Amino acid sequence: GQNIDQPTEMTATEGAIVQINCTYQTSGFNGLFWYQQHAGEAPTFLSYNVLDGLEEKGRFSSFLSRSKGYSYLLLKELQMKDSASYLCAVLDSNYQLIWGAGTKLIIKP
Amino acid sequence: NAGVTQTPKFQVLKTGQSMTLQCAQDMNHEYMSWYRQDPGMGLRLIHYSVGAGITDQGEVPNGYNVSRSTTEDFPLRLLSAAPSQTSVYFCASSSGLGDSNQPQHFGDGTRLSIL
Repeated sequence: GQNIDQPTEMTATEGAIVQINCTYQTSGFNGLFWYQQHAGEAPTFLSYNVLDGLEEKGRFSSFLSRSKGYSYLLLKELQMKDSASYLCAVLDSNYQLIWGAGTKLIIKP
Repeated sequence: NAGVTQTPKFQVLKTGQSMTLQCAQDMNHEYMSWYRQDPGMGLRLIHYSVGAGITDQGEVPNGYNVSRSTTEDFPLRLLSAAPSQTSVYFCASSSGLGDSNQPQHFGDGTRLSIL
């Protein structure tokens, strides 16, 4: 079966750095997405990785290792508005998105 | 910029009732999909469409029907509502999949309760 694993919840301090991990086992791989979802709102796109390595977008970076079935989202200089759930999703061989359950990130002052 | 518009935002139904959740996008996207989101679970694909006149089943299609008569609209019909269909429903669209320029754009969701 296909599986995406993420920690259920993480806590971090305002101004700090946090890394949210995602491991996947899917039938095929055509890319990995990270989305942010604030409580009661729709998911919004953060990043996409299809090749190994690090993609940086301002305070957010996403890393992929296809051989290890592993990705992480790195958030720097945390702000209170970063409190949200972060969803990892993998595009499988049929170009279907397989979603993780999400990681709820709590930012404390 | 309307993007993806879902209606209604909230709905309460009785078991056995039917209803249609509306979804419209104004970005001329070919790919549209319906997901349900339940606590502790990832988004699960109900049905999707790769273009007008073409629909296919996702992971959890039972109890739901869709149609795609135009590029813009992709309604989801609950045939006979059951309490297990209590969930938050999201409609999403994209110009395709598999490219960083083609992420999913989500509507604001419909919160559906079946009593």
